[in-house]
Amino acid sequence: ELKVEQNPLFLSMQEGKNYTIYCNYSTTSDRLYWYRQDPGKSLESLFVLLSNGAVKQEGRLMASLDTKARLSTLHITAAVHDLSATYFCAVEEDSSYKLIFGSGTRLLVRP
Amino acid sequence: GAGVSQTPSNKVTEKGKYVELRCDPISGHTALYWYRQSLGQGPEFLIYFQGTGAADDSGLPNDRFFAVRPEGSVSTLKIQRTERGDSAVYLCASSSWTGGYNEQFFGPGTRLTVL
Repeated sequence: ELKVEQNPLFLSMQEGKNYTIYCNYSTTSDRLYWYRQDPGKSLESLFVLLSNGAVKQEGRLMASLDTKARLSTLHITAAVHDLSATYFCAVEEDSSYKLIFGSGTRLLVRP
Repeated sequence: GAGVSQTPSNKVTEKGKYVELRCDPISGHTALYWYRQSLGQGPEFLIYFQGTGAADDSGLPNDRFFAVRPEGSVSTLKIQRTERGDSAVYLCASSSWTGGYNEQFFGPGTRLTVL
């Protein structure tokens, strides 16, 4: 059974700082997705990572995938308050279409 | 274009009652998913439709839960004899296979509260 673990579960950081969120998963997959969720809102797709070594960047966020290590990272550069949200990684099981989500990382960026 | 829509946005019901939750996917998306999200958790898969048929219903917790998609577009999630433990946000997502991958787009969710 595929399991997805994120850490940290909660992250409080100052504006302007850098940090990385980690997403580990337990079985083979080469399709990983990152989503953002604001309080009371639905999930917004951020990144689609489809192969080993994939790297995607959008603004202050950069996501990467290492399928051999079964690890994805979401790196935050020079954080700003607008990035405060909960971030989820989701792994698509091989030969399946369903997404298995991590528990989420709640990010709070302080002035 | 329009995204995934879900109705109602909130539903409060009493234990033992029957509820229906509706999802209208993005036009042209053949795949439709239902997930359930409890407070402080990530979404959990319930069921996946490809066209009109349920291709994978392995996430439905028990036989009180049932979903249909009769014309391959709108889907309804039906919960019989609701229990307090069914309280959660029910999310619907849809996807196409444009580009060869399965990026799922989520609706705003229905918050179900069972009293």
